[in-house]
Amino acid sequence: ELKVEQNPLFLSMQEGKNYTIYCNYSTTSDRLYWYRQDPGKSLESLFVLLSNGAVKQEGRLMASLDTKARLSTLHITAAVHDLSATYFCAVGRPGGATNKLIFGTGTLLAVQP
Amino acid sequence: SQTIHQWPATLVQPVGSPLSLECTVEGTSNPNLYWYRQAAGRGLQLLFYSVGIGQISSEVPQNLSASRPQDRQFILSSKKLLLSDSGFYLCAWSLLRTQGGEKLFFGSGTQLSVL
Repeated sequence: ELKVEQNPLFLSMQEGKNYTIYCNYSTTSDRLYWYRQDPGKSLESLFVLLSNGAVKQEGRLMASLDTKARLSTLHITAAVHDLSATYFCAVGRPGGATNKLIFGTGTLLAVQP
Repeated sequence: SQTIHQWPATLVQPVGSPLSLECTVEGTSNPNLYWYRQAAGRGLQLLFYSVGIGQISSEVPQNLSASRPQDRQFILSSKKLLLSDSGFYLCAWSLLRTQGGEKLFFGSGTQLSVL
């Protein structure tokens, strides 16, 4: 059974600091996703990682994937308050034509001024 | 461009009442459709998915059902709501993975409170 674990569950950080959110998954998968969710809102797609060693960056966020270690990281550089949100990683179930995702429990990020 | 519509945005229902949430997708044909639920403070759980009209797969045993009466319409229903049905419900769509459908696009969600 595919399981996805994120840590930390809650992260309070100061503006200007760097930090990393980790996402581990239990079985082989060929795709990993990072989403952002603001309170009461839907999910916004941040990154889709499809191969080992994939690295993608958007602004202050950078995501990477190590399929051998079954690990993805979301690195935050010089955090700003606008990054405060809940971040989810999700892993695609291998095989099949549908895009069924297993989500982690999320990391609530609070950036303090 | 493709868009996904989900309604209502908020719903408060008494225990034992019926439920109908609707989701429609525009700008694409034969999408895969999904219903996810997010319990308070938790991640998302896949409830149902559909690869075509009338084709519904259930992921977890529960009090809910889904239907797909038209190609781009996905409905989540219940005959009698339970307290445990409360949560944030999200509809999503994707193309077939064989057609490059690696991305999953989410609707705006319905916050359901069962009292």
